[in-house]
Amino acid sequence: EIVLTQSPATLSLSPGERATLSCRASQSVSRYLTWYQQKPGQAPRLLIYDASTRATGISGRFSGSGSGTDFTLTISSLEPEDFAVYYCQQRINWPLSFGGGTKVEMK
Amino acid sequence: EVQLVESGGGLVKPGGSLTLSCAASGFTFSSAWMSWVRQGPGRGLEWLGRIKSNGDGGTTHYAAPVEGRFTISRDDSKNTLYLQINSLTTEDTAVYYCVRSQCGAGCPGLNWFDPWGQGTQVTVSS
Repeated sequence: EIVLTQSPATLSLSPGERATLSCRASQSVSRYLTWYQQKPGQAPRLLIYDASTRATGISGRFSGSGSGTDFTLTISSLEPEDFAVYYCQQRINWPLSFGGGTKVEMK
Repeated sequence: EVQLVESGGGLVKPGGSLTLSCAASGFTFSSAWMSWVRQGPGRGLEWLGRIKSNGDGGTTHYAAPVEGRFTISRDDSKNTLYLQINSLTTEDTAVYYCVRSQCGAGCPGLNWFDPWGQGTQVTVSS
């Protein structure tokens, strides 16, 4: 099973700041890495698939990069609605697996 | 509007069974590959299993921890996905999400998930 490790667990930032979230895979997942956002009391929402392709309707302030085992989700300038938990997910091997999440909280 | 609406959750005693339903609308359900994902209290996300469209064989694939105890099925005439759970334990307490599995036949790699339903709460307790 591919283990995805997200860091940091919590990121405390202010609106307008840049957020950089990391997802590291225990083995290569090529570019088959997806990012989701989850707000309290809501279901996750697709942000980015295949490491860097933004989903329909997702703001350009969200960007993804990386390949192999190391991936990054960047939020260029945090808006109040961006404070949430972010999960990565790999889709190269069974079982499909998720990282443990990074909470972006308001400082 | 694409929508997935789960139902059937509730309070169940250990050892019991439960069937969750997911009503789909706003897209061609019969050609969609679908999955279930759960999220335990204060925990992350866990993929449970996937079913292909009947046109692509209708086969299922499960996560090892739930295989044999969880069954995913579909009724395309009702645009509905199901998850049957047997021999429930307290470890099955979670919010269960119905999701569309994107990147199906002919697409390299496995699936990502979009959209997600709002989830249904399953609580296993005596």
